[in-house]
Amino acid sequence: DSGVTQTPKHLITATGQRVTLRCSPRSGDLSVYWYQQSLDQGLQFLIQYYNGEERAKGNILERFSAQQFPDLHSELNLSSLELGDSALYFCASSGAQGGYGYTFGSGTRLTVV
Amino acid sequence: DAKTTQPTSMDCAEGRAANLPCNHSTISGNEYVYWYRQIHSQGPQYIIHGLKNNETNEMASLIITEDRKSSTLILPHATLRDTAVYYCIVRVALTGGGNKLTFGTGTQLKVEL
Repeated sequence: DSGVTQTPKHLITATGQRVTLRCSPRSGDLSVYWYQQSLDQGLQFLIQYYNGEERAKGNILERFSAQQFPDLHSELNLSSLELGDSALYFCASSGAQGGYGYTFGSGTRLTVV
Repeated sequence: DAKTTQPTSMDCAEGRAANLPCNHSTISGNEYVYWYRQIHSQGPQYIIHGLKNNETNEMASLIITEDRKSSTLILPHATLRDTAVYYCIVRVALTGGGNKLTFGTGTQLKVEL
């Protein structure tokens, strides 16, 4: 157990639908990062939040959004889902702006049918 | 982003040292080198990181050349459980205080009897 909790572990949904992925960071970590891993793209950085504020944005589609709540948990919202959004979605957390490495959760496997 | 280059795959005999090389010739002076590994589709696992000095922890050693253009991850006594994809990453500091780890394709290490 890495200390980073992601739910759900698996999600199957239809095209056009909207889903929410949840991440609870390791205790004491203020930064949360979201990554997408698909078979043909590898691990892609999506977005970073630090203590409730967006700090960095990567290759995140406009159909996707995220937020970090006062209790520091984060949610990644994916809407108007397409078949190509099927992937593993990982959340990671770190303290002190990533200075000591990121701890990754076990991921959410999203399948869009 | 500072690009890293790693061999696609490597084999190692169990009990022997595994030496995984990485080139990062465009690294900037204040950018850290991180190593992660991913076993199957699990979340990436932090191994070690360094800036300019050699580092050692309970999992591995990291040797960074004096010009910082390359590094080597050393697993001193590889076991079958070390079979994984190993990623060498340069952590990028972004404007606005954010940061990200940019994963490449990594090295598939196979430890065999």
